[in-house]
Amino acid sequence: ETGVTQTPRHLVMGMTNKKSLKCEQHLGHNAMYWYKQSAKKPLELMFVYSLEERVENNSVPSRFSPECPNSSHLFLHLHTLQPEDSALYLCASSHGTAEAFFGQGTRLTVV
Amino acid sequence: LAKTTQPISMDSYEGQEVNITCSHNNIATNDYITWYQQFPSQGPRFIIQGYKTKVTNEVASLFIPADRKSSTLSLPRVSLSDTAVYYCLVVGGGATNKLIFGTGTLLAVQP
Repeated sequence: ETGVTQTPRHLVMGMTNKKSLKCEQHLGHNAMYWYKQSAKKPLELMFVYSLEERVENNSVPSRFSPECPNSSHLFLHLHTLQPEDSALYLCASSHGTAEAFFGQGTRLTVV
Repeated sequence: LAKTTQPISMDSYEGQEVNITCSHNNIATNDYITWYQQFPSQGPRFIIQGYKTKVTNEVASLFIPADRKSSTLSLPRVSLSDTAVYYCLVVGGGATNKLIFGTGTLLAVQP
């Protein structure tokens, strides 16, 4: 248990569905991150939020929409995804240069 | 952001000491060097962080030469459960870190 909780752990969705991934931390961290990791590939940084403001959007398609309503919660809203979006989606949080804590991830399958 | 370079893979046997070297030629004055470990289908886990010279914790040691352009993660007496991908990151001293992960080093420990 890292203190970063992601839900759901597994998600299967059709290409026309809309779903949301949720991440929650109560570690007092001021930065939160979304990563995508496809099979046997490195982590790809998608979004970074610092003090609830988005500071990084790494050329992610608009079908992925992040939301950070407060410093403890981070969402990734998904709509009209493609099969190639199937991957492990990881959330992390950190404070300054200190270690980042990762959630267990959401295994997403787009059918 | 300083780019990091590490070997793609390494092999070892149980009980051996393993040293993984990372180069980061463009490291800035305020940057720290951080190492993470990742098992399949899990989020990365922080191992160790250092700024210069040597840092040791219960899991590993981190050696950083005076010019800080490289670092070496040392894992004493590895076991099968140390088989994982190890990532070297350079973390800036600013308010928010982008935490860019490279390809990492796949360490395979054999009996």
